[in-house]
Parts: sequence; C-alpha cells; structure tokens
Amino acid sequence: KQEVTQIPAALSVPEGENLVLNCSFTDSAIYNLQWFRQDPGKGLTSLLLIQSSQREQTSGRLNASLDKSSGRSTLYIAASQPGDSATYLCAVRSLSEKLVFGKGTKLTVNP
Amino acid sequence: EADIYQTPRYLVIGTGKKITLECSQTMGHDKMYWYQQDPGMELHLIHYSYGVNSTEKGDLSSESTVSRIRTEHFPLTLESARPSHTSQYLCASIFGVEQFFGPGTRLTVL
Repeated sequence: KQEVTQIPAALSVPEGENLVLNCSFTDSAIYNLQWFRQDPGKGLTSLLLIQSSQREQTSGRLNASLDKSSGRSTLYIAASQPGDSATYLCAVRSLSEKLVFGKGTKLTVNP
Repeated sequence: EADIYQTPRYLVIGTGKKITLECSQTMGHDKMYWYQQDPGMELHLIHYSYGVNSTEKGDLSSESTVSRIRTEHFPLTLESARPSHTSQYLCASIFGVEQFFGPGTRLTVL
C-alpha cells in the first residue's frame, strides 16, 4: 500500500528565504507526482506535476524534483513571500490512477 | 485548466438530516473523485467514477453514496447525517494527466 510522508509538518521562515519541502513515498511504481497548494478552508490548487519519466519541473519561483528510485520528491521555493503561506501537499498517482496524499507541510512566511 | 464547482460551500445541519453535496464540471471529464479531509489531516479518497453509470468506493470507508447519471454531475449523498460526518469534502476531476479540485464543501453536523 502506497504511503506518502511529508517533512517537515510545519515550517516558518522570514521573507526572502529559499526553502525546500520534502516528500517521500514507499512504492516507486508511480504514474506521476503532483504538488498542490491549499489555503485555509479552500480547495487544492495544482502547482506542478512531474511524470514518472521526468526528473524535474519548474514554474516561476517553484521547482519540483523527482527521484523515483529512492521514492523522493522535493519542492524548492525561491525568494519566499508572505503570499506563499499555505499548506503544501504532495500526492502520488499510482498506476491504478488513484492519488495518495501526504499530510502536508504548513508554510508560514513572515514579513 | 478545469473548472469544478461545488455547492454548498458551507453547510451546518442537524443530526439525522439527508444531505446532498453537489459537484459539477463543464469540461466533459470522465474521471471524477470525492475526497474527505478532516482538519489538519490528509485527504482520503471515498468515491470515484470513470464515467456515466460507473461508481466505485475509495480507500476510506464512507457511509455516503454517489451517483453518476450525467458526465457533468457527481453528487454525494448522506442519507442520515451524524456528527462523525463533520469534515471537508473535496471533489476533483482529471484533465489529461493532472488532477484538479473544486473549492470544497465544509460540512458541520450538530
């Protein structure tokens, strides 16, 4: 059974810092991995999707990497801003097309 | 990007009431999903559908039921709401290889 773990559970940083969020998964037989952002009481916004054959994806200040063999992904946020404050969720899509989510990392960027 | 609509956004209701949470999308996506998320916890898949008249239970056991009579609609029903059903319910669909989510319904059962 696929399990997804995100470390740390919470992170507080000053504005302008570069930071890394970690995601690990137990079963490397995945279809893709998707990073989401969730604001309090809201739905999920898709940030980046990495196919199993890819190593990384970039969008603006965000860069996500995938090492399928070791079961790890990282989300790098450059020059963090207070508006980046949210919970970041990692989700792995198995070959059966179901998504398995981690518990998320709650990020606070202080002005 | 997919537009997924959920109504109501917030619902407070008494124990024993029957409720239906609506989810709709206008993109013609075949694959749709319902997730349940308790505060501070991960999302759990409770139902999914791969097309009209196709519904399956997800990984987390749920007392809710779903139907898929039309491609655009994937409503979730609780026949008799209980306080243990208090949670956020998120609807999603897949567009290409990417999953997109609606804004969610926050349900509180008193």
